[in-house]
Amino acid sequence: GAGVSQSPRYKVAKRGQDVALRCDPISGHVSLFWYQQALGQGPEFLTYFQNEAQLDKSGLPSDRFFAERPEGSVSTLKIQRTQQEDSAVYLCASSTGTDTQYFGPGTRLTVL
Amino acid sequence: GENVEQHPSTLSVQEGDSAVIKCTYSDSASNYFPWYKQELGKRPQLIIDIRSNVGEKKDQRIAVTLNKTAKHFSLHITETQPEDSAVYFCAASIRSGGGADGLTFGKGTHLIIQP
Repeated sequence: GAGVSQSPRYKVAKRGQDVALRCDPISGHVSLFWYQQALGQGPEFLTYFQNEAQLDKSGLPSDRFFAERPEGSVSTLKIQRTQQEDSAVYLCASSTGTDTQYFGPGTRLTVL
Repeated sequence: GENVEQHPSTLSVQEGDSAVIKCTYSDSASNYFPWYKQELGKRPQLIIDIRSNVGEKKDQRIAVTLNKTAKHFSLHITETQPEDSAVYFCAASIRSGGGADGLTFGKGTHLIIQP
């Protein structure tokens, strides 16, 4: 079946612009996670949804980062007033609620 | 919060030899330990995982061992092949009745298989 998909795959933004990154989880997966992966590093947890409820947003680096999943399926990660340090690959993962998380291909964000 | 340390950062082995990657974790409440393989520009893919009620798990050429007392776990790859070349990440999380939690990843090991 279809895996986790993300769009866009690449995004270039000028410093100060707002961006929105989309994640389509595997159908039926109740849990959805966002991670940030800097070049040469492991993914770092940002936030977690169970259905439409955001249960953990402890990893969001600042109040410029906002995530939503209004209908418990597709999720959007929004970054306001982007800065150069936001440049990274943003990964989305979903799971059935058991342990295994399946990752999407990521969105590579470059802030100029 | 949880902290996961991973060693080595780079590992080069001859094709056919074994490779071992080691990780330690800090939070004794962690009970789920997956390993992901990530090729350049690709998504992380789960290769094996282990839960805290198990000491060892094998899947063909891949095995993972867990020592809860010492809070460390290791990935073992035997009979390495060129397609094993990639970056490998260990991770840890707390699995509770409320559902899955976010993973804390190590910094990764770049495994290079020399022909």
